[in-house]
Amino acid sequence: AQKITQTQPGMFVQEKEAVTLDCTYDTSDPSYGLFWYKQPSSGEMIFLIYQGSYDQQNATEGRYSLNFQKARKSANLVISASQLGDSAMYFCAMREVVTGYSTLTFGKGTMLLVSP
Amino acid sequence: KAGVTQTPRYLIKTRGQQVTLSCSPISGHRSVSWYQQTPGQGLQFLFEYFSETQRNKGNFPGRFSGRQFSNSRSEMNVSTLELGDSALYLCASSSAASGGGETQYFGPGTRLLVL
Repeated sequence: AQKITQTQPGMFVQEKEAVTLDCTYDTSDPSYGLFWYKQPSSGEMIFLIYQGSYDQQNATEGRYSLNFQKARKSANLVISASQLGDSAMYFCAMREVVTGYSTLTFGKGTMLLVSP
Repeated sequence: KAGVTQTPRYLIKTRGQQVTLSCSPISGHRSVSWYQQTPGQGLQFLFEYFSETQRNKGNFPGRFSGRQFSNSRSEMNVSTLELGDSALYLCASSSAASGGGETQYFGPGTRLLVL
């Protein structure tokens, strides 16, 4: 079974609008971390936001926020006021703490296109 | 602080050759992980090194190997290259000693093309 599922292969949004990118995960580890990365066409993976499984509040970083619904095992990324530079691939990833390793498991990604 | 650096950025090799990729982590980071990204398989974990020791390995054949030096710099080697090894190879570093939510920071990647 896939550990990280991103059901939206592509999303379109107009500049200045908000967009939500979906991510669901599967783990039996009670302690885990969820990450979102942005990958522009250049290839570099850029860290956006992190949510720990025990965090009481949803994470926010500037225009990025994470809608964390633990019972539903979902960790959706919300980008407010989209900009043209937000056009990129977005990956949701999970780290399971029980392993003690740094290994991330990634979803397949969502391609976001922001139009003027 | 300087970010993660990877060299070379681009490589073209032919089948049967071997290749070595290099990664310099963020200063102070002791954990280095390698990932392979292909259009078909997505992002797949190769291995992780911490304090010169490989502490986790993904499901890749033995042709893929790596090492970490005392300054935390890491190299990965692919021997007997196959066409399917064409990919973007990403290196990530973190300060992780074990577990936790330490963030992995990625380098720009090395694009390998095998002809």
